[in-house]
Amino acid sequence: KNQVEQSPQSLIILEGKNCTLQCNYTVSPFSNLRWYKQDTGRGPVSLTIMTFSENTKSNGRYTATLDADTKQSSLHITASQLSDSASYICVVSENGGFKTIFGAGTRLFVKA
Amino acid sequence: EAQVTQNPRYLITVTGKKLTVTCSQNMNHEYMSWYRQDPGLGLRQIYYSMNVEVTDKGDVPEGYKVSRKEKRNFPLILESPSPNQTSLYFCASRGANNEQFFGPGTRLTVL
Repeated sequence: KNQVEQSPQSLIILEGKNCTLQCNYTVSPFSNLRWYKQDTGRGPVSLTIMTFSENTKSNGRYTATLDADTKQSSLHITASQLSDSASYICVVSENGGFKTIFGAGTRLFVKA
Repeated sequence: EAQVTQNPRYLITVTGKKLTVTCSQNMNHEYMSWYRQDPGLGLRQIYYSMNVEVTDKGDVPEGYKVSRKEKRNFPLILESPSPNQTSLYFCASRGANNEQFFGPGTRLTVL
């Protein structure tokens, strides 16, 4: 069964610190992997998207990595800010990109 | 402004009373989809549409219907809602660069 698992479930860090979120997937055939940020009560917003041939993608303080061999991805947040407090969701698309499987998300809390 | 809109944003209804949640996008995207989000489960895809008159089931289609008569609209229909369909629903559309845009969400409660 195609699955996307994220860890940790939740994370608390101090403002200014870095953190890394993990995503493991078993989706096949693989089309692409995306990371989203979701603020409470709002729709997810895309941060990065990577296809099979890409192993790193940056968007400001967010850097995503992808290892298609081990089916693992990570999202690294540098110099965290209070506004980074949100859920971060890993999403993998299969079947030419039409079907998407979402991870349950990592809830990040950034404290002053 | 490029956006996906959903209506209503909040809805409380009773079991068995048919309802429709509308979704509209102004980006001329061909691909649109519906998701539900429940605590601890992440978003699950209900239905998706690759273009006008082309729809397909996602992972949790039971109890839902969709239609795609025109490119900009993709309504979600619950013919006979039940309490287990109480959830937060998101509509999304996706452009050629694979970036997916989500609507603001519809919080549905079925009593």
